[in-house]
Amino acid sequence: DAGVIQSPRHEVTEMGQEVTLRCKPISGHDYLFWYRQTMMRGLELLIYFNNNVPIDDSGMPEDRFSAKMPNASFSTLKIQPSEPRDSAVYFCASSFARSGEGGYTFGSGTRLTVV
Amino acid sequence: AQSVTQPDIHITVSEGASLELRCNYSYGATPYLFWYVQSPGQGLQLLLKYFSGDTLVQGIKGFEAEFKRSQSSFNLRKPSVHWSDAAEYFCAVVDNQAGTALIFGKGTTLSVSS
Repeated sequence: DAGVIQSPRHEVTEMGQEVTLRCKPISGHDYLFWYRQTMMRGLELLIYFNNNVPIDDSGMPEDRFSAKMPNASFSTLKIQPSEPRDSAVYFCASSFARSGEGGYTFGSGTRLTVV
Repeated sequence: AQSVTQPDIHITVSEGASLELRCNYSYGATPYLFWYVQSPGQGLQLLLKYFSGDTLVQGIKGFEAEFKRSQSSFNLRKPSVHWSDAAEYFCAVVDNQAGTALIFGKGTTLSVSS
């Protein structure tokens, strides 16, 4: 397996624009997680899905953020409109189980810069 | 509130010296515990994990960690550090009783001097 694949690797956008981050989990993993990493707040869980259904979105910072998982092999995280404070590295991870018994496998991340 | 604490933001160790990175957690029940490593510009790689049983767990790259319930700690150790170990290390916890996903500490940056 190629692992968790995220695209794009880097995104630079202007404030107010819509940004879409993409993730392809490992085949057979039932759980998909979106994390955000910043210097100030570290790694924060934004949302996670089980079998394509959102289970916990309490970490989503505000209504500007939305995430979808239309099928088992694809998820998106959308920010509309984007703001400079959204600049961060966004990671997607997938796992067999929420408890991480097989470990969470992380993608390489998308570095978002909003100017 | 549930939390994971890594008291040391940055540690410098000489190559060949031993290493211990500290991690404390505050959860009621026995959590599932993890250590991840992140090299610059990369994603996170799992070093080791603890769920139950033997409190000393072995991981990849020569790392080990010990779960101490009485101290609510899960410290990461390596007997001899290599320059390639320079990276950021994250302790993480799943509170399986509460049904949380993986929650991370703020990380410890390891520098290795020659």
